[in-house]
Amino acid sequence: DAMVIQNPRYQVTQFGKPVTLSCSQTLNHNVMYWYQQKSSQAPKLLFHYYDKDFNNEADTPDNFQSRRPNTSFCFLDIRSPGLGDAAMYLCATSSLSVGYNEQFFGPGTRLTVL
Amino acid sequence: GESVGLHLPTLSVQEGDNSIINCAYSNSASDYFIWYKQESGKGPQFIIDIRSNMDKRQGQRVTVLLNKTVKHLSLQIAATQPGDSAVYFCADPVPNAGGTSYGKLTFGQGTILTVHP
Repeated sequence: DAMVIQNPRYQVTQFGKPVTLSCSQTLNHNVMYWYQQKSSQAPKLLFHYYDKDFNNEADTPDNFQSRRPNTSFCFLDIRSPGLGDAAMYLCATSSLSVGYNEQFFGPGTRLTVL
Repeated sequence: GESVGLHLPTLSVQEGDNSIINCAYSNSASDYFIWYKQESGKGPQFIIDIRSNMDKRQGQRVTVLLNKTVKHLSLQIAATQPGDSAVYFCADPVPNAGGTSYGKLTFGQGTILTVHP
C-alpha cells in the first residue's frame, strides 16, 4: 500500500506559469519534507514542516512556497517556474520521536518546464 | 557532505560479484550515517545506518564500514544482483534542536551501480 503519494507523477508547465505539486501520506507522520533533485544530483532539501511549523532552508528561492493544510497533505507551489526548476521533486515524511526517524519518500513528481 | 558536481561516479559489476560504494563526509561532528538506494523513477529507500560509535554494521547482504579518522564510509553489497542496480547515496541526518532526534538529511554525491547479468 502506498504510504507517501505524489501527484501528478509527471508535470509539464510553461515558463512562468505557476504550478502546484501535491503530496499526501497515510502514515500520520508529523514531519513532511520537500526535496528537489536535478538530473544526476543528490536530493536537496527545500523546506520541511513539523506539524504546522514551516522551516525553510536558507538557500531555497522565494519562488518556492509550501502549504500544509492538514497532517496528511502538503503542497509545493512554484510561483514562476524557470527552466532551471526542471527537476524531480520528492516528498518525504517522518515521525519525530527520540532517535533517528526514518524518512519515507514518495515516488516523486518530475517537472518539465517548456 | 553536500552534493557537488554534475556527474555521479559509476560502478559496474557482474552479477554475483561484491560491490563497494564509497562516501566521504566533511563534518567531523557527524555521528550518524545512512545509506539510501534510489531506483530509477522512485524515491530513495533506506538501506542501513550506522552510528559513530561503531566501525561496522551488517545487514542482509550489506555491510557498512565507518572510518572516522579519514571521514569515510563505505557500503559493501555481497553477491550483487541485477535488482541492486540503482543510485546509492550516503546521508548525514542533522540532529534536531533538542538533540534528541534526527530529521533533516544532507545527501552525499551518490554512486550509480550497474549490475550486468
